[in-house]
Amino acid sequence: EPEVTQTPSHQVTQMGQEVILRCVPISNHLYFYWYRQILGQKVEFLVSFYNNEISEKSEIFDDQFSVERPDGSNFTLKIRSTKLEDSAMYFCANTLGTGIDGYTFGSGTRLTVV
Amino acid sequence: GENVEQHPSTLSVQEGDSAVIKCTYSDSASNYFPWYKQELGKRPQLIIDIRSNVGEKKDQRIAVTLNKTAKHFSLHITETQPEDSAVYFCAASPGSGGGADGLTFGKGTHLIIQP
Repeated sequence: EPEVTQTPSHQVTQMGQEVILRCVPISNHLYFYWYRQILGQKVEFLVSFYNNEISEKSEIFDDQFSVERPDGSNFTLKIRSTKLEDSAMYFCANTLGTGIDGYTFGSGTRLTVV
Repeated sequence: GENVEQHPSTLSVQEGDSAVIKCTYSDSASNYFPWYKQELGKRPQLIIDIRSNVGEKKDQRIAVTLNKTAKHFSLHITETQPEDSAVYFCAASPGSGGGADGLTFGKGTHLIIQP
């Protein structure tokens, strides 16, 4: 079964530093998403991305966040200046984009801001 | 925006018994309702989903029911086994699944299967 791959699995960064989280989507999937999950809490939608642009974003996805697909394969989430409260598990997800399929989640990146 | 409420937050059942987890949603435009199982430190894994044109769906020991009028949907697990122990999340989306809209998740239910 095809998988969504995320790197790194765990990243520790100092407050104020920039981080880039990477996702390799399933090859024929067209919609890409980022979600985050603060430890012990629910999964929260951040952003959806289609045809090289943002489709939808939540209130969490402020100016500190950006996404791009720089080389047509990797899908990245950048946090410009990390805060302690950005510490969370970040999941990438994909869908085929047919409108009737499910979301496949990646294995996640645990971001720890110190 | 959408708001999804999930109950109970913790559910402990004896092995072999049934477990029921309930969710309500607020946005009548929601059409897609998946359930995810998440083991500690791992990704959410889709276990079953239902769309608004269907009232009930079953896959072996797992079933989901949907009441669009009341805006609630439930997960039913029968003949529970130790490996069913995990956190279960319900979610809702305005689309039918897989489009621009993200999923709004409930807060999760920690299901504990007692041997």
